[in-house]
Amino acid sequence: NAGVTQTPKFQVLKTGQSMTLQCAQDMNHEYMSWYRQDPGMGLRLIHYSVGAGITDQGEVPNGYNVSRSTTEDFPLRLLSAAPSQTSVYFCASSPSVPGTQPQHFGDGTRLSIL
Amino acid sequence: GQQVMQIPQYQHVQEGEDFTTYCNSSTTLSNIQWYKQRPGGHPVFLIQLVKSGEVKKQKRLTFQFGEAKKNSSLHITATQTTDVGTYFCAGPGADSWGKLQFGAGTQVVVTP
Repeated sequence: NAGVTQTPKFQVLKTGQSMTLQCAQDMNHEYMSWYRQDPGMGLRLIHYSVGAGITDQGEVPNGYNVSRSTTEDFPLRLLSAAPSQTSVYFCASSPSVPGTQPQHFGDGTRLSIL
Repeated sequence: GQQVMQIPQYQHVQEGEDFTTYCNSSTTLSNIQWYKQRPGGHPVFLIQLVKSGEVKKQKRLTFQFGEAKKNSSLHITATQTTDVGTYFCAGPGADSWGKLQFGAGTQVVVTP
C-alpha cells in the first residue's frame, strides 16, 4: 500500500523560482489537503479539496495555487518562491471531511528557499 | 476565529514516569483527534474522541474528552523511549466545514 506519496522529498529553490510539489494517493479518498509545518506552529492548512474539481483556501493560502483534476492527485504550486515559504510541506487525504475521519499524511517535502 | 492550544509545548520525561498533555479549544468541538509525529516523520493518527466525557485507552495512552467538549488530554503511563515525538490534537472548525484546526503540539523528550 503506497498510501499518500509526495515528491520530491527535499528541494532547494532560489527566491523567485516556481515549482510544483506533487501529491498522489491511491486510497480513493475524496478529501485532500496541504499543510505547512514550521517550528512551534503546528500544522497550518494551505489549501484543501473535497473532491475532483473542487478546491478552497485554508488558513495560509497566499503564494500557493492548487488544482484537483483527478481524485488521486493534488499538486501544490509555488508561484514565486520567497524565503518565508521555507518549511516542511505535508499532503494529507481522508475518506471524507477530516473532522470526522482520520487523515493520512505523506512523508513530507522539505523545502528551502534561498 | 477558533484557536486550539496545547500545553506544555515541551515535556522532558524520565523513562518510567507518567505525564499528561492538554489541549484546549476556544470553541466547542464536535470531536477531537490526536496525532503523533516521530522526529523527522509525518503525523500519524492515534485516536478520535466524539462523546462528551469520553475516555479511550490504547495500551499506556489514555485519552479524555472534556464534558464541555472544549478540552482534551493525553496521559501516558510509564513513559518509554518509543514515546518520543510530538503529539498534536486537532479539531474541526465550528465555522469552517472541511477544515481541521491543529494545535501547536507537545514535543516529548524521554531521558533513559
